[in-house]
Amino acid sequence: TQLLEQSPQFLSIQEGENLTVYCNSSSVFSSLQWYRQEPGEGPVLLVTVVTGGEVKKLKRLTFQFGDARKDSSLHITAAQPGDTGLYLCAGVNNDMRFGAGTRLTVKP
Amino acid sequence: GAVVSQHPSRVICKSGTSVKIECRSLDFQATTMFWYRQFPKKSLMLMATSNEGSKATYEQGVEKDKFLINHASLTLSTLTVTSAHPEDSSFYICSARDGGYGTEAFFGQGTRLTVV
Repeated sequence: TQLLEQSPQFLSIQEGENLTVYCNSSSVFSSLQWYRQEPGEGPVLLVTVVTGGEVKKLKRLTFQFGDARKDSSLHITAAQPGDTGLYLCAGVNNDMRFGAGTRLTVKP
Repeated sequence: GAVVSQHPSRVICKSGTSVKIECRSLDFQATTMFWYRQFPKKSLMLMATSNEGSKATYEQGVEKDKFLINHASLTLSTLTVTSAHPEDSSFYICSARDGGYGTEAFFGQGTRLTVV
C-alpha cells in the first residue's frame, strides 16, 4: 500500500504545454521531496519542501507544499522533451517513502 | 551534494546463490540507510531502514532471513540476497542520511540484479 498517492501515473503531452503532478497523503510529513529518475539510475533530488504552504521554483518547475504538510504539487511550465522522465514524490519522517511515480512523456 | 556509492551496478547470479550489495557514504557519516526495491516501470518500495549499530527495521512483507542487512559502520551498509531466485531479480537502491529526523538522504546508483 502506497502511503503517498501520486497522480497522474502516466502523462503524455506536447512540447510547450503545462502540467501539474499531485502527491497526496493522509499523513503529515516533516518534509517532502521531489525526485526525477532516469532508467537504470538512482533518483536525483529536485527539491525539498519543509514549511507548510511553501512554494519553491526551479526554472520552469514550481513546487508547493500543502499548508497541513500532507500534500504537494509539481507544476511544469512550457514542458520540453528534456523533461521526459519518471517523477517521484517522497514523504520524509523517520523514514522516506515514495509515491507511485508519474511517468511523463513530452513529445516534440 | 554528498556522494553515496553502490556496488555492484549490475550482477547476474545463479539461482540458489547469495549476492551482496554494498552501499557506502563517501564523504559523510550515514547514521541511517534505506534499502529500496524497484520493479520495472514502478516506484521505489521501501524494504528496510537500518541505523548504524542496530538491527534493521523491515517493512511488512519483506523477509528478514531472505534480505540480510548489515549496517556495521557509519559509512557502509550491505544488503545480502540469500538463496536468490529469479523472482528476486530487480533494481535495488540504497540511500543514506547523515542526520536524524527529516535530514536529506542521498541515493546510490542502484544495482540491477538478475537471477538466472
